Amino acid sequence: DADVTQTPRNRITKTGKRIMLECSQTKGHDRMYWYRQDPGLGLRLIYYSFDVKDINKGEISDGYSVSRQAQAKFSLSLESAIPNQTALYFCATSVAGENTGELFFGEGSRLTVL
Amino acid sequence: GQNIDQPTEMTATEGAIVQINCTYQTSGFNGLFWYQQHAGEAPTFLSYNVLDGLEEKGRFSSFLSRSKGYSYLLLKELQMKDSASYLCAVRDHTGGFKTIFGAGTRLFVKA
Repeated sequence: DADVTQTPRNRITKTGKRIMLECSQTKGHDRMYWYRQDPGLGLRLIYYSFDVKDINKGEISDGYSVSRQAQAKFSLSLESAIPNQTALYFCATSVAGENTGELFFGEGSRLTVL
Repeated sequence: GQNIDQPTEMTATEGAIVQINCTYQTSGFNGLFWYQQHAGEAPTFLSYNVLDGLEEKGRFSSFLSRSKGYSYLLLKELQMKDSASYLCAVRDHTGGFKTIFGAGTRLFVKA
């Protein structure tokens, strides 16, 4: 089983619908992140959380919200989806205080907004 | 703010050596990463540099010059499976150690 699990893996929805993407991890990491990936733009940081009580906006947080329900769970919500939120979304985790701080990614959630 | 630049695409021949460059501007530099991403898959960690110099790991090496805001990833003895996107990323300590990515370089390895 994957250490960082995202659900759903694929979702097609309509403009105006509320969507939640969920992320859970078994790595025991404190830090969790949500990125979106678009062709030609690379990975862009939406929100990040360094522990359950800490939530920070990233580069492109408008139109998104997050919830850190537990150390192992970090969900991303689109309150009213729009077509330009069509993208591949990645959840990632990292260890606090490590020299490298490398990111461990989930397998991605592909969202299409019609 | 941050700015990370790397070439969009590169093509190289199996068995050859290729160098992928990355330049960056950031106010709170705290390390540079290279990730590999095959089409349709998640990125995976390749290397990390925080001090100037060359880090070697098998066929892959990564170099950093902090004064020039410059890094490169060197891939030796290219194999077809090395065809992937290579993402340069910088960790910035302003606002709490967040990692920002460049747009990635798509590498095509031909026979």
